[in-house]
Amino acid sequence: AQSVSQHNHHVILSEAASLELGCNYSYGGTVNLFWYVQYPGQHLQLLLKYFSGDPLVKGIKGFEAEFIKSKFSFNLRKPSVQWSDTAEYFCAVKASSNTGKLIFGQGTTLQVKP
Amino acid sequence: DAGVTQSPTHLIKTRGQHVTLRCSPISGHKSVSWYQQVLGQGPQFIFQYYEKEERGRGNFPDRFSARQFPNYSSELNVNALLLGDSALYLCASSIPSGASTDTQYFGPGTRLTVL
Repeated sequence: AQSVSQHNHHVILSEAASLELGCNYSYGGTVNLFWYVQYPGQHLQLLLKYFSGDPLVKGIKGFEAEFIKSKFSFNLRKPSVQWSDTAEYFCAVKASSNTGKLIFGQGTTLQVKP
Repeated sequence: DAGVTQSPTHLIKTRGQHVTLRCSPISGHKSVSWYQQVLGQGPQFIFQYYEKEERGRGNFPDRFSARQFPNYSSELNVNALLLGDSALYLCASSIPSGASTDTQYFGPGTRLTVL
């Protein structure tokens, strides 16, 4: 069965620190990969996505993620975080043969101290 | 453009009751998916509907059902509510643009509390 693992459940950083959130998935076939963000009091928003091509994808607000197929990973990065990046981050995977069914990780809560 | 809308925002029910949650997709989107998010966990897939037909179902009991209407809006119904059904219920819509490039956009959710 497909599953997604986010290694860090709670991350605390100071402003300007670099961020990397880990995401690993288990699935043997071709996948589509997503990172969603949920800011306090707001709904889930798409941060970035990977379907095919360049494994380094750039999203909104300076975020990027790299798909490493051999490691079944899709880690999220940002060189310098801001206080406004405080949020919960979810990695999600979908089998590319499946039109629906996103499989989510359990999320990582990021707290950025000003 | 309006995003995905869901109603109601909050709902309190007692065990054994049933509940109906509603979702309106983004204009032009024909697919709706439902997810359950329990506190501290990521969303869990319940259903996907496309063109009024069920296209996928997650590992949820038959107490959960859904349907999609000609205008692509959708309802999620849960019968015989249990305490464990307390969660945030999310609706997501997508065009879809193709089986392998479907991107889902989420609504604000309905917070269901079962007492």
